[in-house]
Amino acid sequence: GAVVSQHPSWVICKSGTSVKIECRSLDFQATTMFWYRQFPKQSLMLMATSNEGSKATYEQGVEKDKFLINHASLTLSTLTVTSAHPEDSSFYICSASGNPTYEQYFGPGTRLTVT
Amino acid sequence: GENVEQHPSTLSVQEGDSAVIKCTYSDSASNYFPWYKQELGKGPQLIIDIRSNVGEKKDQRIAVTLNKTAKHFSLHITETQPEDSAVYFCAATTGNMLTFGGGTRLMVKP
Repeated sequence: GAVVSQHPSWVICKSGTSVKIECRSLDFQATTMFWYRQFPKQSLMLMATSNEGSKATYEQGVEKDKFLINHASLTLSTLTVTSAHPEDSSFYICSASGNPTYEQYFGPGTRLTVT
Repeated sequence: GENVEQHPSTLSVQEGDSAVIKCTYSDSASNYFPWYKQELGKGPQLIIDIRSNVGEKKDQRIAVTLNKTAKHFSLHITETQPEDSAVYFCAATTGNMLTFGGGTRLMVKP
């Protein structure tokens, strides 16, 4: 149980375009979903937290207008990177928690490359 | 906020030896401490966790210890195998917020 999927697993886009990444909890209802970014050889950095039906809470330094998060249902959250630039190239990982709320289950990640 | 320090950043052991990774945290309100294994190009996978009301937990070759007074916890892997090679992250949880350590790259040499 507690499986989280992400789609796509990797994506290459041109500078200035937008990219949407989906995160799904497959076998449980996720009251909260989290989005992390990981640069090579570094730890995971939390970008934002979203609760179903509510606006996301962004960490300091994360532009909410650039990284749009939607958590429309208990099993789906999306991250849209708008007007992507090469410096947005990174590994984006989502996680989901249900009950108990302190356990987070991670997706397999999405490798974004902006050319 | 919470701050988690993890050591060492890299660890190389011979197959069959034990590996120990240590973490310290700053927020005494943290009460859940998971450990994740991350292989190249993949998301973190939970391998073991411990709650603050427990001092030690073991699952086959993996064990975790927690010292709440000193605010440190450790991961112990015995009889290491080449497939244990990966990056390991500790984390501390306050409420539902995870704070990760910097990671340890474990290399098990056959």
